Amino acid sequence: GQQLNQSPQSMFIQEGEDVSMNCTSSSIFNTWLWYKQDPGEGPVLLIALYKAGELTSNGRLTAQFGITRKDSFLNISASIPSDVGIYFCAGQQETSGSRLTFGEGTQLTVNP
Amino acid sequence: DSGVTQTPKHLITATGQRVTLRCSPRSGDLSVYWYQQSLDQGLQFLIQYYNGEERAKGNILERFSAQQFPDLHSELNLSSLELGDSALYFCASSVGGKDTQYFGPGTRLTVL
Repeated sequence: GQQLNQSPQSMFIQEGEDVSMNCTSSSIFNTWLWYKQDPGEGPVLLIALYKAGELTSNGRLTAQFGITRKDSFLNISASIPSDVGIYFCAGQQETSGSRLTFGEGTQLTVNP
Repeated sequence: DSGVTQTPKHLITATGQRVTLRCSPRSGDLSVYWYQQSLDQGLQFLIQYYNGEERAKGNILERFSAQQFPDLHSELNLSSLELGDSALYFCASSVGGKDTQYFGPGTRLTVL
């Protein structure tokens, strides 16, 4: 089953607001990834993190690989309507090869 | 467009039947992964193939099997279908065995 705890489950925000979501685990992960999924589509990779403490940006998105290697955060600044979707964190563990373990997802709604 | 293609997009079938889902990886990718996304279990890793060989196995039922062909496309076979097998099935591919995974658009399976 799932090993990643993602929060919040859902968010309703106004256009222009900043958004934060996070993922935690009781286990260590050596890679953290953030994906976005639109209805009827597959997950699309947003950001990949490979080192503890790493902070990486992709446009208005910023993600961090936690120092303990047990958590990760995703921030979206100045949200726009097309940010609507489900955001998933995913991790890879040294002991599990390349399989991805996914969080439960954060459903983001942006009101114009 | 991730470059990963999956067919069919939708599949409706009856309990007890057998279906085959097909995936073509991105050009140059040697690794193919299969994931199942259901409402109660979220996104779960099923199986990985690398250059024709099974590399890793996750929560895949014995009724399910997969293979990767010499041209690197992959098929996921689901047999003796049950209502609970209704889900989205995603294929992902990566260059090597541990690189970033890119997801296809998925096949929505409905078992009636």
